[in-house]
Amino acid sequence: EVQLVESGGGLVQPGGSLRLSCAASGFSFSNYWMTWVRQAPGKGLEWVANIKEDGSEKFYVDSVKGRFTLSRDNAKNSVFLQMNTLRAEDTAVYYCGRGTAGMDWGQGTLVTVSS
Amino acid sequence: DIQMTQSPSSLSASVGDRVTITCRASQGINNYLAWFQKKPGKAPRSLIYAASSLHSGVPSKFSGSGSGTDFTLTISSLQPEDSATYYCQQYNSFPLTFGGGTKVEIK
Repeated sequence: EVQLVESGGGLVQPGGSLRLSCAASGFSFSNYWMTWVRQAPGKGLEWVANIKEDGSEKFYVDSVKGRFTLSRDNAKNSVFLQMNTLRAEDTAVYYCGRGTAGMDWGQGTLVTVSS
Repeated sequence: DIQMTQSPSSLSASVGDRVTITCRASQGINNYLAWFQKKPGKAPRSLIYAASSLHSGVPSKFSGSGSGTDFTLTISSLQPEDSATYYCQQYNSFPLTFGGGTKVEIK
């Protein structure tokens, strides 16, 4: 059974940092792109970032470029989203997904950016 | 960037109704089109990939069609558990983009 478990969310002040983790199991992790999307309160789904199977390519939505960094550890079946210089508009539930367009998803982790 | 336009933004239908949601891309996306179901407080659920292929475990009442720039998601017989917001997403090119969503309610 495919499982994706996000962690690392929480309350952070504007300008602060958080590191989200996504632990994967039940599939051959190193064979899949991984994706992150988010949903702000009352808003729709927004794609955030993708990382290639070997980590050699990464893509980001413009609003997070230069602030968020995606990485992965295939030995630990995990993907990480380092979020710096957080803004109020980054407040959302963040979901990690398996595959370029997300064939399976975790339950999400809530990030709240507020003073 | 490729813009994805969904319509309608919301609809209300009765149990057993056939429901169709449309999604239009601002340029051709080579059928790299996915559909998701999203319920409040729940993870997204992947329904369709490659415009018309059903993900494993998704009931056959869901179907996708279309090509080029125009796509549809159809629910053949609406049930109470289908009350949700549905999103299309293009994954032809980065940045990946979602449609604005269609909220489906049961009358």
